[in-house]
Amino acid sequence: GESVGLHLPTLSVQEGDNSIINCAYSNSASDYFIWYKQESGKGPQFIIDIRSNMDKRQGQRVTVLLNKTVKHLSLQIAATQPGDSAVYFCAESGPDFNKFYFGSGTKLNVKP
Amino acid sequence: DAGVIQSPRHEVTEMGQEVTLRCKPISGHDYLFWYRQTMMRGLELLIYFNNNVPIDDSGMPEDRFSAKMPNASFSTLKIQPSEPRDSAVYFCASSLTSGQRGYEQFFGPGTRLTVL
Repeated sequence: GESVGLHLPTLSVQEGDNSIINCAYSNSASDYFIWYKQESGKGPQFIIDIRSNMDKRQGQRVTVLLNKTVKHLSLQIAATQPGDSAVYFCAESGPDFNKFYFGSGTKLNVKP
Repeated sequence: DAGVIQSPRHEVTEMGQEVTLRCKPISGHDYLFWYRQTMMRGLELLIYFNNNVPIDDSGMPEDRFSAKMPNASFSTLKIQPSEPRDSAVYFCASSLTSGQRGYEQFFGPGTRLTVL
């Protein structure tokens, strides 16, 4: 029969609330981590990155947290807006920082 | 800057036909990447170039796939012969690596390939 595609986990939040998107990575030797946002019909767009020698990095309305002990990465979006609705991917790399391994993604649905 | 440019945006072809996807990276960028995105396998790196030289092609599925970068402003990904399982969205990305700026890759809009 026909293959069935993976069902993306979905996070639904109310406009104005904070969002937290989680990601577990696989390689304890990974040294560089990136979050991308992909809107429907478009290519992925860079949001924020973090090196393994840091555990937190902040951008505009976004914060990335890295917990190397449990190999966990999270993206926090403050005051979520309808324009934040998209699929969010984490990616890891290292030792070749140019070679990204993308996760399966989380769909963020912002309700007005 | 116009960003990464890909053509065509959509391609429908029949099994066995040759398909050529094209990419123009951001001017001045020295890295170029080809990715494939499917629901089953997600976003996968196929191959990447540095200064027009292929560095890692370990993600290329099989010999039916080939990629070239004849100059700094143009790259192609060719599938010959195409098969229905090649149906996917193919993305090109480019980057300018500087140790202080990180390794951000800028993605193009993608080419949606359907092989019947």
